Amino acid sequence: GAVVSQHPSWVICKSGTSVKIECRSLDFQATTMFWYRQFPKQSLMLMATSNEGSKATYEQGVEKDKFLINHASLTLSTLTVTSAHPEDSSFYICSASFGLSEWETQYFGPGTRLLVL
Amino acid sequence: LAKTTQPISMDSYEGQEVNITCSHNNIATNDYITWYQQFPSQGPRFIIQGYKTKVTNEVASLFIPADRKSSTLSLPRVSLSDTAVYYCLVGDLGVAYKYIFGTGTRLKVLA
Repeated sequence: GAVVSQHPSWVICKSGTSVKIECRSLDFQATTMFWYRQFPKQSLMLMATSNEGSKATYEQGVEKDKFLINHASLTLSTLTVTSAHPEDSSFYICSASFGLSEWETQYFGPGTRLLVL
Repeated sequence: LAKTTQPISMDSYEGQEVNITCSHNNIATNDYITWYQQFPSQGPRFIIQGYKTKVTNEVASLFIPADRKSSTLSLPRVSLSDTAVYYCLVGDLGVAYKYIFGTGTRLKVLA
């Protein structure tokens, strides 16, 4: 149980294009989904938190107009990197939680490797 | 904010027991402590979670002292495949549903 998938697993795009990454909870309904970014040899950095049907909450320093998050249903959240540039190249990971309390376990997706040329 | 501090790296040999300690002095009353394992180019994988005393599952044990200001992840008889980064997480005091990842501990298991 508690499986989270991401699609695509890797993507290469040209600078200036937009890229959409999907995150799905396969066997549970996720009350909250999270998006992280991870650069090589570094820890995960939380980008934003989203709840189904409401606007995402972005961390300080994360441009909400550049990283568009849509949490359309209890099993799907999408991250769109708009007008991607080489510095956006990174490993993007989503996670989902389904608990009722504030500190419930997060289950992570396998990640999406983005390379912007 | 509940921050965590872990050793940056550890080396061990196959078959040994490995203990990774995490410090979380600002842990909140309702916080749980969760440990994740991450291999390169993969998302973190849930290992174990606890609130106090000791928790054991098929892969690890988690020891939490009474004051809950630290915790120790114990991996029995590690193998080469346990080489990974291990993260200790506690709930964020300021905002619900939010984990802040620390540096993690890079465990290298040697033959």
